[in-house]
Amino acid sequence: GAVVSQHPSRVICKSGTSVKIECRSLDFQATTMFWYRQFPKKSLMLMATSNEGSKATYEQGVEKDKFLINHASLTLSTLTVTSAHPEDSSFYICSAIWGAETQYFGPGTRLLVL
Amino acid sequence: GENVEQHPSTLSVQEGDSAVIKCTYSDSASNYFPWYKQELGKRPQLIIDIRSNVGEKKDQRIAVTLNKTAKHFSLHITETQPEDSAVYFCAALASGNTPLVFGKGTRLSVIA
Repeated sequence: GAVVSQHPSRVICKSGTSVKIECRSLDFQATTMFWYRQFPKKSLMLMATSNEGSKATYEQGVEKDKFLINHASLTLSTLTVTSAHPEDSSFYICSAIWGAETQYFGPGTRLLVL
Repeated sequence: GENVEQHPSTLSVQEGDSAVIKCTYSDSASNYFPWYKQELGKRPQLIIDIRSNVGEKKDQRIAVTLNKTAKHFSLHITETQPEDSAVYFCAALASGNTPLVFGKGTRLSVIA
């Protein structure tokens, strides 16, 4: 299958700082990527759809000014958690569409805000 | 919009037995149904998928069936092994660039 990487895999930051997470499609181009958040023992919660060359589409209840998404190239989407607070601590996972519809996930980023 | 229900939420089976996880969906336009396996702390891994023009698909010990009329699809794992223990998510997709809609997941435990 296609390979999606994510960096960093783990990050600890102080409250009030910003954290950038990168999602890359390594061996294919992805015009569309998705960002999810996952709480312990819960399903994947879609945060936003990232479209190359255009603005991201955010799900209801997700603050676009807090979770900044940039999809500047066909292989890279970034999620920036601005002014992070402890309640933002979570597992963030991206996915990219390979081919017509198959979605492959990145390995995830575990964010801990102190 | 699409809504996917998944049952059961937890499932324990003896090693060697079969496990069945069922999902229903609401949007008749959905035409692609993948299944993902997620081990603790890891990414969801695509294990099998089925498209609406097919009723059944098999890959070694894993099979998926789809009933479009009833809008439900199921994952079947035969001869379960301890390494099959994980959380399994079903999902449905209406069109290529739209997000997958996931079920809430099934925690499968295979007891040796």
